[in-house]
Amino acid sequence: GENVEQHPSTLSVQEGDSAVIKCTYSDSASNYFPWYKQELGKRPQLIIDIRSNVGEKKDQRIAVTLNKTAKHFSLHITETQPEDSAVYFCAASEQYGNNRLAFGKGNQVVVIP
Amino acid sequence: NAGVTQTPKFQVLKTGQSMTLQCAQDMNHNSMYWYRQDPGMGLRLIYYSASEGTTDKGEVPNGYNVSRLNKREFSLRLESAAPSQTSVYFCASNLSDRGSYEQYFGPGTRLTVT
Repeated sequence: GENVEQHPSTLSVQEGDSAVIKCTYSDSASNYFPWYKQELGKRPQLIIDIRSNVGEKKDQRIAVTLNKTAKHFSLHITETQPEDSAVYFCAASEQYGNNRLAFGKGNQVVVIP
Repeated sequence: NAGVTQTPKFQVLKTGQSMTLQCAQDMNHNSMYWYRQDPGMGLRLIYYSASEGTTDKGEVPNGYNVSRLNKREFSLRLESAAPSQTSVYFCASNLSDRGSYEQYFGPGTRLTVT
């Protein structure tokens, strides 16, 4: 099955700086790549996603880029704010249908005021 | 719309006790999922139901059973709880139309087994 890895596990940034989290996946047939944000004690919530026919997608201060050849995709957060502090999970669609997602282990992002 | 709801929010069990975690969605979604979340382990799929009347094992199914009661409801049962099942459990649902992968999560159930 699909194997998704995230790096780094923890990232600390100064408020106003940019943060970048990278994920790698193993299955070249995966075609959907979401990013979820989970605040402490809350449920994961989708913040942005990208499909394999697109190289980049932006939504205000967040963007996701996809490199299908290298099988990695990245989350970019610009002008970080304290409310961006959370755990971020990436995921990739499983090949064999049923709309399953394989999740990475998560990245803790800490924005230092 | 309430989205995805889960009960209970918290539960403490003793080893060997049984319980059922309830999940319901009001978005007319076809697929439903149960995950467990442990520190540093991300979200691991326990069971899922691609459509009403079907269920399949995920990555970590041992010690659990599920029931897709109808299109709205998907329950997770622990027949004989073990300390290793201490975790936060999330239910999720997905429309499951062609190309629709977005999963919506419930608020979670925090389970402690002593």
